[in-house]
Amino acid sequence: EAGVAQSPRYKIIEKRQSVAFWCNPISGHATLYWYQQILGQGPKLLIQFQNNGVVDDSQLPKDRFSAERLKGVDSTLKIQPAKLEDSAVYLCASSRDLPPYEQYFGPGTRLTVT
Amino acid sequence: AQSVTQLDSQVPVFEEAPVELRCNYSSSVSVYLFWYVQYPNQGLQLLLKYLSGSTLVESINGFEAEFNKSQTSFHLRKPSVHISDTAEYFCAVTTGTASKLTFGTGTRLQVTL
Repeated sequence: EAGVAQSPRYKIIEKRQSVAFWCNPISGHATLYWYQQILGQGPKLLIQFQNNGVVDDSQLPKDRFSAERLKGVDSTLKIQPAKLEDSAVYLCASSRDLPPYEQYFGPGTRLTVT
Repeated sequence: AQSVTQLDSQVPVFEEAPVELRCNYSSSVSVYLFWYVQYPNQGLQLLLKYLSGSTLVESINGFEAEFNKSQTSFHLRKPSVHISDTAEYFCAVTTGTASKLTFGTGTRLQVTL
């Protein structure tokens, strides 16, 4: 089966600009996750969707970050306006809605904010 | 709430030597445990997992990990490493009642000749 797809793979923007990332999960996976991975750290969950509903967005900086999964399949994560500290790899993952909720990750988008 | 501790940020090792990457977790309920590997400029790949049953789990490329409930550990081992094993390794935990995955800070395994 096809894996989790993400685009773009790399993005360089200036601070205060906006950027959007796209993710297409594995077919049949109801749950979709967006993580932020800052260099030298483990991934941090930003938001979790189950179908098109939000399960957990407690660590999403809602003043500048937004995410949607309108049809319960693919998803977009947006940052507006970007700050220097948003430089990171943004990972998308998906899983079935059953324990142990094994997550499969996409290749990530490396964002550099200058 | 659960947490994961990976005490070693970097582990240098010579090729063909054994290696152990340490992982300790804390949780008030039973857990599922995972090791993920991240090669440069790639996403995370599942290396192995403990769900239940045998406490020793193995991967297809020679890694193994042992779940130790009394010590709340899930250390990753390989008896003989290869240059291609150079990567970042992340330990992660989730509970059976929620799908949130909590990661450790990662251990960079650097294999040299």
